[in-house]
This record gives sequence, C-alpha cells and structure tokens, in this order.
Amino acid sequence: GIQVEQSPPDLILQEGANSTLRCNFSDSVNNLQWFHQNPWGQLINLFYIPSGTKQNGRLSATTVATERYSLLYISSSQTTDSGVYFCAGKEGAQKLVFGQGTRLTINP
Amino acid sequence: DTAVSQTPKYLVTQMGNDKSIKCEQNLGHDTMYWYKQDSKKFLKIMFSYNNKELIINETVPNRFSPKSPDKAHLNLHINSLELGDSAVYFCASSHPTAGGPLFSYEQYFGPGTRLTVT
Repeated sequence: GIQVEQSPPDLILQEGANSTLRCNFSDSVNNLQWFHQNPWGQLINLFYIPSGTKQNGRLSATTVATERYSLLYISSSQTTDSGVYFCAGKEGAQKLVFGQGTRLTINP
Repeated sequence: DTAVSQTPKYLVTQMGNDKSIKCEQNLGHDTMYWYKQDSKKFLKIMFSYNNKELIINETVPNRFSPKSPDKAHLNLHINSLELGDSAVYFCASSHPTAGGPLFSYEQYFGPGTRLTVT
C-alpha cells in the first residue's frame, strides 16, 4: 500500500509567522486531503486537492501529483491554528491512508 | 445542521464488556467508514461500507463488528473489550465529488468517540 510521510513532525512558531508543511507519498494517489485536528480533537477538512493549488483565506495548498508531494502553507499564523495537521492520500477506491501528522504550536 | 454525528462522545468501560458506538450522517453520502486513532495520534481505517455493503475490512479483530442498518448509519459494536482498544474512534462519510473522476471521494469526519477501557 501507499506510504504517506509528513514533515516536520513538530513546528513551534510565534504568532504572525508563516509556515510550510510537507506531505510525501510513495505512489500515485487519486486524491489527497489535508485536515486540521484542533486541540479538542475534531478533524476539520482543509483541502481536497488531488493536484494543483487551492487557497482558502490564510491557508493554501499545492499538490504536485507527478512528483508525489503536497504542501500546506499557513500565513500570518494565529494561536487558533495550533493543533495537528494531517495529510491523507486515497489508496484504491475508498481507503484514506494518513500521514503521522505535523504538530503545530503557535505561541502568542 | 450536524453533518456526521457520533454518540457517545466519551465512553469509559471495563475490560470484558461489550459496547456500541453509533454514527449518523445527514449529507446524503453513500459510503461510510470507521477509523481508529491511537495514543500516538496515528489514524488508520478499520471498515468501509457502501450502501450498507462491507467494502473494506482492514484486519480488524472479530470482536469489532460494524453494522449498517441504512446508508445514513454505521454503528460499531465491540465485544469483550480489551485495554488495547482504548483509542479515539472516528466515523466518516463520503460521496463521489461532483464532476470529478469516479474515484474522487472527499471524506468528512465526525467528532470522534474517546473510548477508555479500564
């Protein structure tokens, strides 16, 4: 099956900083999703991005499927951005394979 | 207004007991899933159902039995609970993305059920 690796595992930043989170996958995936797990444990959909670039406010994501990676950009970080960010690639028809996550801490 | 809901949110029980977690989605999706998140935050799929039919069963012990009475509900029953079953269980649902290829299923997750076995 596919392997999904995220980097860095941990990231600590000051409020207002920008960050880039990376997701590498071992084989072709036919979709890719980014999630934010907030401190209350909720998994929030950020992007569904099999390829190309999408933007939503201060967040944007780019997936280069041919090179098997995706990037999540967070600009002007806020403390509410803290949590764990997961990427997940779809293997086969329906199974999502998750990376191990990047724990982001934004300090005021 | 809730898209994917789970009950209960917290479940504390003793080893050997049998418990159930319920999941409902009002998104009109035809595929539902159960995922397990362990203490290290690693998320892994357990089951997938499409229109009440089991599609994926990821080497989960027989003590776990999903049941889908209709395509809006997928419940998880766990027999003879063990300490190692302690985790957060997430339900999810999906539907082919409009205009996308056949395989494009964006998944939406419920709030999770934290199961603690003592």
